[in-house]
Amino acid sequence: EDKVVQSPLSLVVHEGDTVTLNCSYEVTNFRSLLWYKQEKKAPTFLFMLTSSGIEKKSGRLSSILDKKELFSILNITATQTGDSAVYLCAVDPAQGAQKLVFGQGTRLTINP
Amino acid sequence: NAGVTQTPKFQVLKTGQSMTLQCAQDMNHEYMSWYRQDPGMGLRLIHYSVGAGITDQGEVPNGYNVSRSTTEDFPLRLLSAAPSQTSVYFCASSFTGAYGYTFGSGTRLTVV
Repeated sequence: EDKVVQSPLSLVVHEGDTVTLNCSYEVTNFRSLLWYKQEKKAPTFLFMLTSSGIEKKSGRLSSILDKKELFSILNITATQTGDSAVYLCAVDPAQGAQKLVFGQGTRLTINP
Repeated sequence: NAGVTQTPKFQVLKTGQSMTLQCAQDMNHEYMSWYRQDPGMGLRLIHYSVGAGITDQGEVPNGYNVSRSTTEDFPLRLLSAAPSQTSVYFCASSFTGAYGYTFGSGTRLTVV
């Protein structure tokens, strides 16, 4: 059974801190790993990773994939209160990207 | 360009009632999916479609039906609502399935 596990499930930090969110996976086949940010409503797309060791970066957010160890990390530097959200990791198990497997999510709270 | 539109946003049903959750996208996306999100469990795939006239089951299809008569619309039908179907439902679409999905804003369903 395909499985995606995120850690920690919940994290509370102060504004300005750097955080690292983890995502490990076990899937029969692998095509890509995706990160989403979910505030009050719909998840919004952050990154898609397909190759090991290549960092994707967008402003203060960055992510990298390790296909040998089967995990990905999402880093957020100089956190702001607007970064407070649930961060979701999903894997496309190459059965077709319509069958994404999601982790439980990490709830990140940034205190001023 | 509205993206992915879900209606209604909120719904309360009595056990045994049926209803249809609507999902429409105006991006000419071929891939559409329905997920449910429960606390501590991330998003789980209910049904998906790779094009008009083609649908298939996801991880948790029992109690739900779908059809895809047009590219734009992908309604989800609850046949006989049960309290276990209390959840937040998200519809998502993608052009090729190879890139990040666009999610609707969700329908919060409560079955009493």
